[in-house]
Amino acid sequence: KDQVFQPSTVASSEGAVVEIFCNHSVSNAYNFFWYLHFPGCAPRLLVKGSKPSQQGRYNMTYERFSSSLLILQVREADAAVYYCAIKCPYSGAGSYQLTFGKGTKLSVIP
Amino acid sequence: DGGITQSPKYLFRKEGQNVTLSCEQNLNHDAMYWYRQDPGQGLRLIYYSQIVNDFQKGDIAEGYSVSREKKESFPLTVTSAQKNPTAFYLCASSFAHEQYFGPGTRLTVT
Repeated sequence: KDQVFQPSTVASSEGAVVEIFCNHSVSNAYNFFWYLHFPGCAPRLLVKGSKPSQQGRYNMTYERFSSSLLILQVREADAAVYYCAIKCPYSGAGSYQLTFGKGTKLSVIP
Repeated sequence: DGGITQSPKYLFRKEGQNVTLSCEQNLNHDAMYWYRQDPGQGLRLIYYSQIVNDFQKGDIAEGYSVSREKKESFPLTVTSAQKNPTAFYLCASSFAHEQYFGPGTRLTVT
């Protein structure tokens, strides 16, 4: 059953700030992870954590059950799929699992 | 040059045949994971392994098998029991709760 929710598509004009929203319904999940995925390549971690953070052009907002990824000065090359994930403790000492949303496809209009 | 390698990048099989996907990492990570990606479905966890000689089922383990005989290697076998094997398969390893992904293998079964 779906636990992490994000929009399937987002469109933005080049140069703008684009926001991709994510929320979850898991009571014991505290950390968000945002991944960038170009088809056929390895997904790459952009930002993560349990508080607002920034890595270059990527900002992450944080609320207890929601997070947004903000991409500043978006470019055509940013067109890809962005995954939101949460960290859920798994059964077994020390183990954990990332639960991913279905991904948001970003389109950038020149 | 550390990283995660998956081979081959593209794999074609006839229905009814088992096929094994390779995943190797030289990052000295204890934990490794297999995900499956389908269009519009995000990344779904098939199996994961926290340590050598131990592995656990993920959310969609039916029709798959794994082994973890060495720390560096976590091969995934897609058996003939898997009803819809055509997909993009991603392997990952983790350190300090951050997952690093390989480039993926696209499996097509006809």
